[in-house]
Amino acid sequence: DTEVTQTPKHLVMGMTNKKSLKCEQHMGHRAMYWYKQKAKKPPELMFVYSYEKLSINESVPSRFSPECPNSSLLNLHLHALQPEDSALYLCASSQSPGSNNSPLHFGNGTRLTVT
Amino acid sequence: DAKTTQPPSMDCAEGRAANLPCNHSTISGNEYVYWYRQIHSQGPQYIIHGLKNNETNEMASLIITEDRKSSTLILPHATLRDTAVYYCIVRVVVQDSNYQLIWGAGTKLIIKP
Repeated sequence: DTEVTQTPKHLVMGMTNKKSLKCEQHMGHRAMYWYKQKAKKPPELMFVYSYEKLSINESVPSRFSPECPNSSLLNLHLHALQPEDSALYLCASSQSPGSNNSPLHFGNGTRLTVT
Repeated sequence: DAKTTQPPSMDCAEGRAANLPCNHSTISGNEYVYWYRQIHSQGPQYIIHGLKNNETNEMASLIITEDRKSSTLILPHATLRDTAVYYCIVRVVVQDSNYQLIWGAGTKLIIKP
């Protein structure tokens, strides 16, 4: 079991659809992250939120739009995706982005398929 | 670009110690080494991290060489549930005390009965 909860577990969407991925943590962590993972590859960082403000955007295309409504929730809004965006999307949280002893806690991800 | 290199795969007999090596020859003095593992269909799980000294917790031990150019993750008594991809990671400072994890390609560890 993980303390970071992601929904849905699986999502199939067409290229013209709009959908959202959701992530929730109740550990009091103040940093939250979105990662993308393709098969047999390590996770790639997409976005970092620090104290509910976007602090890092790794040049992600605008068809991915993150949102952090409060310190416990993180959303990723999807619009006009391409088939190559199919991947496992992982959410993570940590106590703070600057602490030396603050490992990331990951959810189990949303498996996204774009048709 | 990855700052770590790992063997792509390793086998280990159940009950034996699994020793997973990692090279990080370009690591800087303030950059930590982290290890995560990922069991199939799950998110990555934190194992251990260290800077200079060897570290031990309930899951594993981390041995870092004196020059910090390499490290070894040790699972003392491997079980079948330890079969996973193990990632060696360097944590770097990017801006204003923000850190990023630079992931290696991972080692697929298979524990055999």
